[in-house]
Amino acid sequence: EPEVTQTPSHQVTQMGQEVILRCVPISNHLYFYWYRQILGQKVEFLVSFYNNEISEKSEIFDDQFSVERPDGSNFTLKIRSTKLEDSAMYFCASRDRLATNEKLFFGSGTQLSVL
Amino acid sequence: TQLLEQSPQFLSIQEGENLTVYCNSSSVFSSLQWYRQEPGEGPVLLVTVVTGGEVKKLKRLTFQFGDARKDSSLHITAAQPGDTGLYLCAALGDNAGNMLTFGGGTRLMVKP
Repeated sequence: EPEVTQTPSHQVTQMGQEVILRCVPISNHLYFYWYRQILGQKVEFLVSFYNNEISEKSEIFDDQFSVERPDGSNFTLKIRSTKLEDSAMYFCASRDRLATNEKLFFGSGTQLSVL
Repeated sequence: TQLLEQSPQFLSIQEGENLTVYCNSSSVFSSLQWYRQEPGEGPVLLVTVVTGGEVKKLKRLTFQFGDARKDSSLHITAAQPGDTGLYLCAALGDNAGNMLTFGGGTRLMVKP
């Protein structure tokens, strides 16, 4: 089965530093997402992206966050100045069509630790 | 934003037992999905339910969507150690981004 790949699997950074989390969605997919999961808490929606623009974002996705699809294959999440509370598992996901039953594929995540 | 409550939060059972986990909300869902997540992995979709009263089966797993589309259940028959994991329900949004709102999950452990 096709899969979403994320790199790195683990990222450790100092507070205030910029980080870029990388994702390669499934090749024919059109809709892309970032979610995060703080240890012991719910999986939370961050942002959705379609046709080279953000289609929806949550309150978590403030000015410190940005997303980009720099080429035909990568989808990145940038955190400009990391805070301790940004420590979480970040999941990228992609979907083919925007239909109710269309399966959302999640990557294995990047564990971000902000020290 | 739809708030999804899952119960129980934790469940530890012996191999061969049956179990049911629940997902409830005060809101009506247009559709609901169940995912399973293993440690260090992303959620994996098990099923999507759309119609009130719908029942879907996936081997030993039976998913039911409430008639009023406010609640759902997952029943596992004759649980096996391989069923161990975090079971998440998630509601699909109706707007452009089609975002998912997840419940807090039920962490299941099946002991041999």
